[in-house]
Amino acid sequence: DVKVTQSSRYLVKRTGEKVFLECVQDMDHENMFWYRQDPGLGLRLIYFSYDVKMKEKGDIPEGYSVSREKKERFSLILESASTNQTSMYLCASSLSGEAFFGQGTRLTVV
Amino acid sequence: QKEVEQNSGPLSVPEGAIASLNCTYSDRVSQSFFWYRQYSGKSPELIMSIYSNGDKEDGRFTAQLNKASQYVSLLIRDSQPSDSATYLCAVNGYNFNKFYFGSGTKLNVKP
Repeated sequence: DVKVTQSSRYLVKRTGEKVFLECVQDMDHENMFWYRQDPGLGLRLIYFSYDVKMKEKGDIPEGYSVSREKKERFSLILESASTNQTSMYLCASSLSGEAFFGQGTRLTVV
Repeated sequence: QKEVEQNSGPLSVPEGAIASLNCTYSDRVSQSFFWYRQYSGKSPELIMSIYSNGDKEDGRFTAQLNKASQYVSLLIRDSQPSDSATYLCAVNGYNFNKFYFGSGTKLNVKP
């Protein structure tokens, strides 16, 4: 079974802090994604990566950056956290078909 | 126009009935289509994938795809209270690198 693991289930950070969300997959998938999910807005793509060191902006990249130094790990970075970044963050990976999700990180910025 | 459209619901059906969930998409070159189930507070889990026109059955679930009309649907037969969740439709583009998700349809199955 594919396993996608996010480093934290719940996270509380202060405004202005630099925040790292980590995601690891164990199935050698080339594609990895970061989404945020907010009530009424569905899943919105922040960034995705189709190979090591390769990344593309999704629909809402502002305020975020990503890093993919190894195939299995995809990190989402909030350079300076703001209250409007309070959300559920979901990491996913895929090879050429279905996307598999991690358990999600509920981030609260206070 | 959104890439993937779903009725947000809620859709309420009695236990044992058929639940019908619908989804339309805008990109004609889309190749792959998926249905995910998401329970409250949990991450989405894949329940069905479909790649060619027609029906695909898996247990109580049937996915239907019509590329000419650009819609995909999910039927749940003999609905159970445990099926109560939000169902997300997802569409994958030609290069498989991007998934577009609908905002989901909330299904309530009443005992």
